[in-house]
Amino acid sequence: QVTLRESGPALVKPTQTLALTCTFSGFSLSTTGMSVSWIRQPPGKALEWLARVDWNDDKYYSTYLKTRLTISKDTSKNQVVLTMTNMDPVDTATYFCARQPVNVGWFDPWGQGTLVTVSP
Amino acid sequence: DIQMTQSPSSLSASVADRVTITCRASQRLSNYLNWYQQRPGKAPKLLIFGASTLQSGVPSRFSGSGSGTDFSLTISSLQPEDSATYYCQQSYTTPYTFGQGTKLEVK
Repeated sequence: QVTLRESGPALVKPTQTLALTCTFSGFSLSTTGMSVSWIRQPPGKALEWLARVDWNDDKYYSTYLKTRLTISKDTSKNQVVLTMTNMDPVDTATYFCARQPVNVGWFDPWGQGTLVTVSP
Repeated sequence: DIQMTQSPSSLSASVADRVTITCRASQRLSNYLNWYQQRPGKAPKLLIFGASTLQSGVPSRFSGSGSGTDFSLTISSLQPEDSATYYCQQSYTTPYTFGQGTKLEVK
């Protein structure tokens, strides 16, 4: 059974750096063709893809957020970490991680998500 | 970035009705189009991938069609548990993009 779980702070202040961890089981990021993506969803709004890290450590980022995002993996711990710098209240959202086979690009399954609020 | 436009933004229908949600891409995707269902307070769930392939465990009343730039999701006989927001997503190229969502209410 494949599962993913997001963890990190529920509240951050403006200008701070956010670090979120995705801990997964049931698959390995050392498997050829496998990747993990981060997606976020502001309250009441649509989904927005943020970043992807592949089994071979290739990385891809949102066009609009790439200067603020860093994604990394720790294969031995089955974890993927996303950092986002210079947080702003508009970054308030639920952040999801999801498994993603690279060759088809769909997200399945997703973690339950973690709500991050940016407020002074 | 590829823009994804869904319509309608919301709709209301009755149990046993047939509904169709459409998704249009700003450039051709071949069949790299996926559909998700999101119930309130929950993570999205993959329904259909590759434009028309039903994910394992998804009821057969869900179906997808289309290729190129125009796609659709059809629910053939609505059930109360189908009340949710539905999103399309292109996986043709990074950065991946989603439609704005279609909120479906089953009366």
